[in-house]
Amino acid sequence: ETGVTQTPRHLVMGMTNKKSLKCEQHLGHNAMYWYKQSAKKPLELMFVYSLEERVENNSVPSRFSPECPNSSHLFLHLHTLQPEDSALYLCASSPSTGATNEKLFFGSGTQLSVL
Amino acid sequence: DAKTTQPNSMESNEEEPVHLPCNHSTISGTDYIHWYRQLPSQGPEYVIHGLTSNVNNRMASLAIAEDRKSSTLILHRATLRDAAVYYCILRRGPGGTSYGKLTFGQGTILTVHP
Repeated sequence: ETGVTQTPRHLVMGMTNKKSLKCEQHLGHNAMYWYKQSAKKPLELMFVYSLEERVENNSVPSRFSPECPNSSHLFLHLHTLQPEDSALYLCASSPSTGATNEKLFFGSGTQLSVL
Repeated sequence: DAKTTQPNSMESNEEEPVHLPCNHSTISGTDYIHWYRQLPSQGPEYVIHGLTSNVNNRMASLAIAEDRKSSTLILHRATLRDAAVYYCILRRGPGGTSYGKLTFGQGTILTVHP
């Protein structure tokens, strides 16, 4: 148990569906992250939030829309996805962004399949 | 981003020590060396990190070369539960757009035999 909880664990959606991934952290951290892990590829950083403000968007397509209503919750809204978006989506948190000696705490991820 | 180079895979026997190498010849003076591991069907898990001196914690030890161009993660007695992908990552210090980012590479797949 890392203190970072992601729901759902598995999600299957069609290309025309709209769905949302949820992440919640109980660690009192100020920074939250979305990563994408495609099969046989390294983790890719998608978005970074610091104190509910988005501080990084790594050229992610607009069909992925993040939301951070408070420092404990992070959402990833999905719409009009493509089959190549099928991947493991991981949420992480850390005390702050940028501190090089801080560690990230990851959730178990949501395994997304787009049909 | 500063790059790290790790072997694609390594094997070990249970209860034997494991030395996982990492090369990072372009490391800068303020980069921290972080190690994470990812067990099957889970998110990455922090293992250890260091700057210049060797580090020990309950999970592992980190040996850093004097010139900081390489490091070794040491698992003192491997268990079956240590089978995972191990990532060596440089976390960039202040200055530049990569500040603080955790950029994952392919990592080393560690197989532990009973």
